[in-house]
Amino acid sequence: GAGVSQSPSNKVTEKGKDVELRCDPISGHTALYWYRQSLGQGLEFLIYFQGNSAPDKSGLPSDRFSAERTGGSVSTLTIQRTQQEDSAVYLCASSQYGGLSTEAFFGQGTRLTVV
Amino acid sequence: DQQVKQNSPSLSVQEGRISILNCDYTNSMFDYFLWYKKYPAEGPTFLISISSIKDKNEDGRFTVFLNKSAKHLSLHIVPSQPGDSAVYFCAAKGGSGGGADGLTFGKGTHLIIQP
Repeated sequence: GAGVSQSPSNKVTEKGKDVELRCDPISGHTALYWYRQSLGQGLEFLIYFQGNSAPDKSGLPSDRFSAERTGGSVSTLTIQRTQQEDSAVYLCASSQYGGLSTEAFFGQGTRLTVV
Repeated sequence: DQQVKQNSPSLSVQEGRISILNCDYTNSMFDYFLWYKKYPAEGPTFLISISSIKDKNEDGRFTVFLNKSAKHLSLHIVPSQPGDSAVYFCAAKGGSGGGADGLTFGKGTHLIIQP
């Protein structure tokens, strides 16, 4: 597709279960970001991939969160042993070069609800 | 510590009038600013940006003003239209908290255009 695609669009999971969220960036975009938006909050940076470089994981809130990007394209965000405070909309974005003057294009997000 | 602040959670403006959305930042390392627009159940979409070397950028009905000395920027929409009703996020690049080349976001302002 032409835009950033995320799946699933909605996910309800039980506390303590693991979840995987998927992001297909725009073809040819080398930079990929994960953000999350909790209720009433702004977008919180989680992790950033740029080409083949080691990812910037500085925004991951705990070691239960991890992300991979295979072949420089698709990315998977994994949350282990989910907690209720993990409930949020998880947004993926990609940009062509990741440079300071290029805007990021966002997917529609995955709404995660931990019950 | 919130580096990008949008102090108005919501704003109601009559159709045809000017909408002014404000954003303040604390990190003097930010050198590029962006506005994103978000409809419910969709990801944010890029609207307009401004580099710190400029004080104004205009694109159709949208104008962003930057006052570096005050660490303040604003988005003007004129004339406001019903389709402008959305949440508007202010974002900044160049500081910490957003990851390398990442974005630091404000909490958003919900703009409501009244008919």
